[in-house]
Amino acid sequence: DAGVIQSPRHEVTEMGQEVTLRCKPISGHNSLFWYRQTMMRGLELLIYFNNNVPIDDSGMPEDRFSAKMPNASFSTLKIQPSEPRDSAVYFCAVGTTSTDTQYFGPGTRLTVL
Amino acid sequence: AQSVTQLDSHVSVSEGTPVLLRCNYSSSYSPSLFWYVQHPNKGLQLLLKYTSAATLVKGINGFEAEFKKSETSFHLTKPSAHMSDAAEYFCVVSVGSARQLTFGSGTQLTVLP
Repeated sequence: DAGVIQSPRHEVTEMGQEVTLRCKPISGHNSLFWYRQTMMRGLELLIYFNNNVPIDDSGMPEDRFSAKMPNASFSTLKIQPSEPRDSAVYFCAVGTTSTDTQYFGPGTRLTVL
Repeated sequence: AQSVTQLDSHVSVSEGTPVLLRCNYSSSYSPSLFWYVQHPNKGLQLLLKYTSAATLVKGINGFEAEFKKSETSFHLTKPSAHMSDAAEYFCVVSVGSARQLTFGSGTQLTVLP
């Protein structure tokens, strides 16, 4: 997992509730990526940041999804309100702007009832 | 545009026999290609990466992959499968200067005793 920390590891919530997923990247990596993995759609890139600035959020499915990176050591992905179809594993990955190798966190398994 | 196709969704081998996981790519430019492995309920781990330095790339855990431009292929091989190799494997291509990764649909490898 290359030191990327994600929390929580598992989240179960009810439809309509707000969900916040957290990622702590490892130092020295100035790119951060949020992915969603489902059986139906596989791995999808939601959004990525370079130097804490959102570069491409075209993968964010709806306005219910938002992501922030207030500093180099923390990022959040928020879903409000959550829906059952948001159930998936959400991964945070890090890289650098000088290379295309990415290192993934362990993921957060989200279940929306 | 870049894309990657994993030709087999499931592969079963017996322990001690060779592994071959097939991947074809499409890219307008010289691609970077990766293989990642995902064990159950885990994040994605980088197995190996091709960046044009050498066509035969050696990775971790005895895996290697050969880049064949004429065939637009990047197949993953291992001489002798181990039970611990059972996992899902993803072939990935890097998308230009944006450093975005495009994932294949995955190949589930089963290793039989």
